[in-house]
Amino acid sequence: QQQVRQSPQSLTVWEGETAILNCSYENSAFDYFPWYQQFPGEGPALLISILSVSDKKEDGRFTIFFNKREKKLSLHIADSQPGDSATYFCAAMTNSAGNKLTFGIGTRVLVRP
Amino acid sequence: EAGVTQSPRYAVLQEGQAVSFWCDPISGHDTLYWYQQPRDQGPQLLVYFRDEAVIDNSQLPSDRFSAVRPKGTNSTLKIQSAKQGDTATYLCASSFLGTKDTQYFGPGTRLLVL
Repeated sequence: QQQVRQSPQSLTVWEGETAILNCSYENSAFDYFPWYQQFPGEGPALLISILSVSDKKEDGRFTIFFNKREKKLSLHIADSQPGDSATYFCAAMTNSAGNKLTFGIGTRVLVRP
Repeated sequence: EAGVTQSPRYAVLQEGQAVSFWCDPISGHDTLYWYQQPRDQGPQLLVYFRDEAVIDNSQLPSDRFSAVRPKGTNSTLKIQSAKQGDTATYLCASSFLGTKDTQYFGPGTRLLVL
């Protein structure tokens, strides 16, 4: 059972465009949603995160939009740069499960110059 | 500040062989995690420790996998008799206190079981 779903699996955008990555979840108890960025040969690194009490979180060119009622969130990468080419993972955590993160399958983003 | 370090970076085994992975977390981090990341998938938690105590190992295949963190610092993950299905990258991560603290990942050990 996949508790955190991501789409699309891969995405190609031109430099300067906005990339939109989607994530949905099943467990209503999830209350913390970090997005991780992973480059080939490296471990994932935290990019941006949001708590379920918020509906939007911005950090530079990266924005999370969160819809608790629909159990959906999305990551928007504005003014995409070739250096943003990576795999992005949506993850989720619930307070009652301690520090256990559940990751989605990831979205591979390619930004063409 | 040094990040999470792991060794070896790569390992190639025949089925049935044993292998150990080593992790050195960020200094002062009390929580350490081991994840398995199959190719083209997200990381899946195997086990995590708070100091030297195992907090959750429910996803660790206990018949062949074991993990220890004897002094609450470095950790070792061991596969006793590897199977082809164990082919994956094994990631170590660490964090400090709290339930929402950032998990910092190491570069991983890429394992290929032939």
